[in-house]
Amino acid sequence: SQQGEEDPQALSIQEGENATMNCSYKTSINNLQWYRQNSGRGLVHLILIRSNEREKHSGRLRVTLDTSKKSSSLLITASRAADTASYFCATDSGGSNYKLTFGKGTLLTVNP
Amino acid sequence: NAGVTQTPKFQVLKTGQSMTLQCAQDMNHEYMSWYRQDPGMGLRLIHYSVGAGITDQGEVPNGYNVSRSTTEDFPLRLLSAAPSQTSVYFCASSYSIIGVGAQPQHFGDGTRLSIL
Repeated sequence: SQQGEEDPQALSIQEGENATMNCSYKTSINNLQWYRQNSGRGLVHLILIRSNEREKHSGRLRVTLDTSKKSSSLLITASRAADTASYFCATDSGGSNYKLTFGKGTLLTVNP
Repeated sequence: NAGVTQTPKFQVLKTGQSMTLQCAQDMNHEYMSWYRQDPGMGLRLIHYSVGAGITDQGEVPNGYNVSRSTTEDFPLRLLSAAPSQTSVYFCASSYSIIGVGAQPQHFGDGTRLSIL
């Protein structure tokens, strides 16, 4: 079963705009990760946020975590055409140290 | 470092055939896993391994076998291919088996498998 669910399923913006993607999950987690997948390639790790953290930054990426709402958001600022990709959240499955559960992803298209 | 290498990149099989998808990593990672990615379904965990000789089932293990005789290699075997196994298969690895959720996963570029 899916633990994380991204929203929206697809997002189309212009270069220079900000892009926000959301992830909701069902059970308590220890960590939440965000990944990027370019077309035809494997997933690439972007950022990890622990359950005791509320916000984390990495370059143009900003991730927030609200454990009370079981949700996270990924903000990409000043987007570029090269940011066009699918973005996935991944969470620890409750009770297991060995399993990551991925959402269905958000397809981001940045138009030049 | 090559990272995680998957072979082949593409494969077409007939129903009932068997095959092995190869995965190798050169980062001395303890943890390795296999996912399948289907349109609209995201990634689903098939099997994982926490070290040589130790494997366990994920979310969708039926029809697949794994083994791990070395730290570097984690092959995935399809015993009798079915059209429902048409998918893109990804192998991933991470350094430690302690708190997999707290570690970045390193992915290969996938094997695109079609079962006719």
